[in-house]
Amino acid sequence: NAGVTQTPKFQVLKTGQSMTLQCAQDMNHEYMSWYRQDPGMGLRLIHYSVGAGITDQGEVPNGYNVSRSTTEDFPLRLLSAAPSQTSVYFCASSYGLAGYNEQFFGPGTRLTVL
Amino acid sequence: AQSVSQHNHHVILSEAASLELGCNYSYGGTVNLFWYVQYPGQHLQLLLKYFSGDPLVKGIKGFEAEFIKSKFSFNLRKPSVQWSDTAEYFCAVSRAMYSGGGADGLTFGKGTHLIIQP
Repeated sequence: NAGVTQTPKFQVLKTGQSMTLQCAQDMNHEYMSWYRQDPGMGLRLIHYSVGAGITDQGEVPNGYNVSRSTTEDFPLRLLSAAPSQTSVYFCASSYGLAGYNEQFFGPGTRLTVL
Repeated sequence: AQSVSQHNHHVILSEAASLELGCNYSYGGTVNLFWYVQYPGQHLQLLLKYFSGDPLVKGIKGFEAEFIKSKFSFNLRKPSVQWSDTAEYFCAVSRAMYSGGGADGLTFGKGTHLIIQP
C-alpha cells in the first residue's frame, strides 16, 4: 500500500495563477480531507469529503475548490493564488469519520505564492 | 466553535526526563480527543485517542494521556523520554456524533515542538 500520496511536493506560483494539488489514497477510505499548516497555527481544515460525490467546507475554505469523483482521489484547486495561501498542505484519509477514526496523512505539499 | 490550546510551543528536555504536554479545549459538549505526532521528515501519525471509558489512555511508544472532563484537558505524558521522541506534537478535538459533530473533521492545537537532548 502506498497509503496517501500527494503531488507535487513543492510548488511556486505567482499571484493570480491557478493550480491543482493532487491527493490519492489506496486504502479504500471513504473520508478524505485537506488541511493547511502555517507556522504557529497548527493544522486548519479546508475541505472534507465523506464519500464520492460529497464534499463540504471546513474552517478555511475561501479560495479553494474540491471535488470527489472517485473514492481514491481528492484534488484541491486554488482558483487564483494569493500570497496568503503560502503554506504546507496536507491531505488525509480515514476509514470513517475523522472524528472517530485514525486519519492517515500524506507527506504534504509546500506551496509558495509570490 | 471549539478551540484547542497547547500551552507550550517549544519544550527542551534531556533524555530520561519526564514529559507532560498540556492540552485544553473549549467545547462544552461531548468530545473525542487525539494526539498526533510528526517526527522530522515523516508524516503526521496517530499517537493515541480517547472516545469514552477509562480516562487514562495508552498509546504507542510509551505515551499516555489523561482526560479530565472537569478541566477540559487531555494532557500527554511519558515517564522517560528518548532522543527519538524529538518531534512536533498536536492535540486535536472532534465533537462527538451525538453532539452534532464527527463528520467535520478535527480542530488541531498549534502544536508543541519537543526537542530531546542526548
